[in-house]
Amino acid sequence: QVQLVESGGGVVQPGRSLRLSCAASGFTFSSYGMHWVRQAPGKGLQWVALISYDGSKIYYADSVKGRFTISRDNSKNTLYLQMNSLRADDTAVYYCARDFRGDNWFDPWGQGTLVTVSS
Amino acid sequence: DIQMTQSPSSLSASVGDRVTITCRASQSISNYLNWYQQKPGKAPILLIYTGSTLQSGVPSRFSGSGSGTDFTLTISTLQPADFATYYCQQSHSPPLTFGGGTKVEIK
Repeated sequence: QVQLVESGGGVVQPGRSLRLSCAASGFTFSSYGMHWVRQAPGKGLQWVALISYDGSKIYYADSVKGRFTISRDNSKNTLYLQMNSLRADDTAVYYCARDFRGDNWFDPWGQGTLVTVSS
Repeated sequence: DIQMTQSPSSLSASVGDRVTITCRASQSISNYLNWYQQKPGKAPILLIYTGSTLQSGVPSRFSGSGSGTDFTLTISTLQPADFATYYCQQSHSPPLTFGGGTKVEIK
């Protein structure tokens, strides 16, 4: 079955960096766009970034542009999110999600990984 | 950016009730509107895409309607498993945006 498993979360100091990974299985990873979506504690959902199936198209939310980089390795069936210059308001559960049909909706989602930015 | 406004932000309902949640876009998004359900501590799941298409495996008591700027999610007969938070999301164009969520609680 389709499965997405995030890893790499943890506690990090403001200004530092962290890289998240999302391991995909159960589908042809190289045929699908992928997203990162985050959710701050007790808050709603916020889309973070999108990468097309081949990595040729990338989009970011304004709040992370210039600080975060989405990438993928289709040979490893893995999606990444490099997060630099982290701030307290980046604290959230980060989910990876498959772009269901190339039409910018999300199905399925991973279980999420918690990133806490704190000194 | 396209802003998505959901209402109400919360509601209390009983098992068997009919529940309607609305979502309004700040500009026309045609039918590029999707609905998700999220339970505490869990990842969201896709319920409906392109305004009214039920995702495979989702019970038929869920339905969606609307186009342009105004959309609704309806649960025809509320079941215990439906107590959760619901989010709308526009997929018209990046940056992709969500509504603030509607928490459906037990009355």
